[in-house]
Amino acid sequence: DAGVTQSPTHLIKTRGQHVTLRCSPISGHKSVSWYQQVLGQGPQFIFQYYEKEERGRGNFPDRFSARQFPNYSSELNVNALLLGDSALYLCASSFNGVDQPQHFGDGTRLSIL
Amino acid sequence: GQSLEQPSEVTAVEGAIVQINCTYQTSGFYGLSWYQQHDGGAPTFLSYNALDGLEETGRFSSFLSRSDSYGYLLLQELQMKDSASYFCAVTGSGNTPLVFGKGTRLSVIA
Repeated sequence: DAGVTQSPTHLIKTRGQHVTLRCSPISGHKSVSWYQQVLGQGPQFIFQYYEKEERGRGNFPDRFSARQFPNYSSELNVNALLLGDSALYLCASSFNGVDQPQHFGDGTRLSIL
Repeated sequence: GQSLEQPSEVTAVEGAIVQINCTYQTSGFYGLSWYQQHDGGAPTFLSYNALDGLEETGRFSSFLSRSDSYGYLLLQELQMKDSASYFCAVTGSGNTPLVFGKGTRLSVIA
């Protein structure tokens, strides 16, 4: 079975632009969570979706938004990009969102110039 | 809020045993997880403790004391491939699935 897949793997943007990152969960998993990982730090929670509804939101500005589709895939959108948004964006899936383990994708490396 | 403390770096010799400690402060607690992340890779799940005590999975064991808000990851028979960052993470109350510590970078030397 395929694991969590994320696209694109790498992305370079400039300040002020917007970006859309995509995630496909493991088949059968209904929850997707998004994390931001800055170099040298642990992943920081951004959003969680379960059954297409937002279940949780971390301490991120409104420039960050997400949604989950009927097939349980998900998109993370970031508007008005700042240099500080440069990070590895990780998607994790699980059956119900609070169960363990969370299965992570390889992430999207976003660089802002 | 929730916060976790773990050592930033640990160095150990191949074949030895190493323990990585984690203390946490959280409003509500469901369990403590451990994840391994190699440079450039995704975090991969190692273990999960919801109850006090020791969980063993091969060379890796994890311990939890809820009364002390403390846990540790024990790695035995260290191998060079164990060089990676190790994160403890708490599943707490509210809708936050995982809160991660800053990670412990383990270097295994010959």
